[in-house]
Amino acid sequence: QLHLQESGPGLVRPSETLSLTCTVSGDSMSRVIFYWGWIRQPPGKGLEWIGNVDYSGSTYYTSSLKNRVSIHMDTSKKQLSLNLSSVTAADTAVYYCARSYDSSGYGRFDSWGQGAPVTVSS
Amino acid sequence: IHMTQSPSSLSASVGDTITIACRASQSISRSLNWYQQRPGKVPKLLIYGASTLQSGVPSRFSGGGSGTDFTLTISSLQPEDFSTYYCQQSYTSPIFTFGPGTKVEIK
Repeated sequence: QLHLQESGPGLVRPSETLSLTCTVSGDSMSRVIFYWGWIRQPPGKGLEWIGNVDYSGSTYYTSSLKNRVSIHMDTSKKQLSLNLSSVTAADTAVYYCARSYDSSGYGRFDSWGQGAPVTVSS
Repeated sequence: IHMTQSPSSLSASVGDTITIACRASQSISRSLNWYQQRPGKVPKLLIYGASTLQSGVPSRFSGGGSGTDFTLTISSLQPEDFSTYYCQQSYTSPIFTFGPGTKVEIK
């Protein structure tokens, strides 16, 4: 049974870097058919895909955040990380890590972490 | 690729059948997924590939469409179905886009 668990500071000051870790258990992170991603949800708003990383470490980001975001995968530690620099109040959100299972040509997020609430405030 | 959903919210009663629409700004073939998010909960995958039900999802949920226009239909609405529903395109995988969501409320 796959389990994902986000961790990191719940409060980040404006202009600093938001850093979160997602620890994966129950399956390998190295299979070709998986992408590992981050999605966020501001309070009262919808889901926003942030980015994915594949088995080789190649990364893919949403265009609106690509200048500030980086995602890394450490398969030995079974961890996924998210760094978002120069944060503002608009980055306040619940941050989810999730696995995208890409079989039959249809990538979909079939497993999600519980979410990490992050507030940007001084 | 930009995704839109309609309506943004709707009110319905237990037992009703409802349909939510999702439109892509360009053709995405059948690369369209649907998620359910209950209040305060984690999103849950319902349907992938436009019409394939994820394991464990009740058969009252169904999806259709291809190209740019897609639908999610919930037959015989149950109390636990009152949630927000999101579509998500995976045509440009591994770059994804979510729709803005449709909130289904109790009438």
